[in-house]
Amino acid sequence: AQSVTQLGSHVSVSEGALVLLRCNYSSSVPPYLFWYVQYPNQGLQLLLKYTSAATLVKGINGFEAEFKKSETSFHLTKPSAHMSDAAEYFCAVSLPHTGRRALTFGSGTRLQVQP
Amino acid sequence: NAGVTQTPKFQVLKTGQSMTLQCAQDMNHEYMSWYRQDPGMGLRLIHYSVGAGITDQGEVPNGYNVSRSTTEDFPLRLLSAAPSQTSVYFCASSYDSGGTYEQYFGPGTRLTVT
Repeated sequence: AQSVTQLGSHVSVSEGALVLLRCNYSSSVPPYLFWYVQYPNQGLQLLLKYTSAATLVKGINGFEAEFKKSETSFHLTKPSAHMSDAAEYFCAVSLPHTGRRALTFGSGTRLQVQP
Repeated sequence: NAGVTQTPKFQVLKTGQSMTLQCAQDMNHEYMSWYRQDPGMGLRLIHYSVGAGITDQGEVPNGYNVSRSTTEDFPLRLLSAAPSQTSVYFCASSYDSGGTYEQYFGPGTRLTVT
């Protein structure tokens, strides 16, 4: 079975600072990995996804993530935080080739951006 | 395209009442699923469907029923509401995007059971 761990339920950064949100997964087979963002009182929006092509994945709004198999990690980064990045971020994993398309989510990290 | 739509947006139920949360998608996606979101727990899969007439249980199926009579609709039924079912419910649909099955989420239904 796969699982996802997001370190830090709350992260606070200053506007213009580096954003780093951590995600580690456990899976017996190579997974697909996703980052979603949720703004207050809204649904989830896909930021980016890793599907076994390039290990460095670029997403929307200037975010990117790097798949590191040796560390079983898929951390999300953005060089310079903007006030509009304040939201909750979820890492998720799915297992390809199993026919099971459901996502397993981490518990989420709430990002606060200070002016 | 409207994408994935959910109704109602908000609902308050009394313990023991039943209701149906509606979910519809207009993207002709074969796969649909229901998640519930609780603070500090991320989203957990309730039920899913791989096509019309085919459904299966997820992680937390107890107290919920689903059916899929058409490709477009995937309603979630609460049989006898309990306070533990107070949550935000999200419906999602997906298609085979080169094997990645990217999921599209609806805006959610916020349910309170008193």
